Amino acid sequence: DAGVIQSPRHEVTEMGQEVTLRCKPISGHNSLFWYRQTMMRGLELLIYFNNNVPIDDSGMPEDRFSAKMPNASFSTLKIQPSEPRDSAVYFCASSPDRARGYTFGSGTRLTVV
Amino acid sequence: SQQGEEDPQALSIQEGENATMNCSYKTSINNLQWYRQNSGRGLVHLILIRSNEREKHSGRLRVTLDTSKKSSSLLITASRAADTASYFCATDAGTGANNLFFGTGTRLTVIP
Repeated sequence: DAGVIQSPRHEVTEMGQEVTLRCKPISGHNSLFWYRQTMMRGLELLIYFNNNVPIDDSGMPEDRFSAKMPNASFSTLKIQPSEPRDSAVYFCASSPDRARGYTFGSGTRLTVV
Repeated sequence: SQQGEEDPQALSIQEGENATMNCSYKTSINNLQWYRQNSGRGLVHLILIRSNEREKHSGRLRVTLDTSKKSSSLLITASRAADTASYFCATDAGTGANNLFFGTGTRLTVIP
């Protein structure tokens, strides 16, 4: 298995632009998570899905953030419009169930200028 | 917040020495997990300990859990330069939910 695949690895965009981050979880994993990591705030859970259904999106910072999981093999995190304070590393992770650990992707480093 | 806190924030040791990192959390849990993150990479799952377990081993890793004190420790024995990384503890919410809350991390440096 190739693990959790995220794209792009790096994204530099101008303030106000739309940004879409992509994630392909491990096949057979029922849960998918989006985290954001910054030096100031550490790892923050943004949203997670179970069987493609959003379960908890209370970590999504603002309405500018949205996430979808149209099928078991693909999820997107969209920021529209982007702002400089959105600059962070965004991680996607998947898990087969709560009794086991997560597998993380390599992350997308987002820089909004 | 359920978010745990690791202690110390940074630790520097000589290769071959043991490294101990601690984690404290706030509410009841079903399990506690430890992860490693190398610079610029994603987190890697190391070990999971359930709330009814007190100690668990995996290779050079030893994890303890004290639910009465809401604390856990990660011991890495005979450290190697390749163990240099940040280490995070993560806890669930103690409910049926699958989401994890991560601590602030301990930055471990192993000097060759």
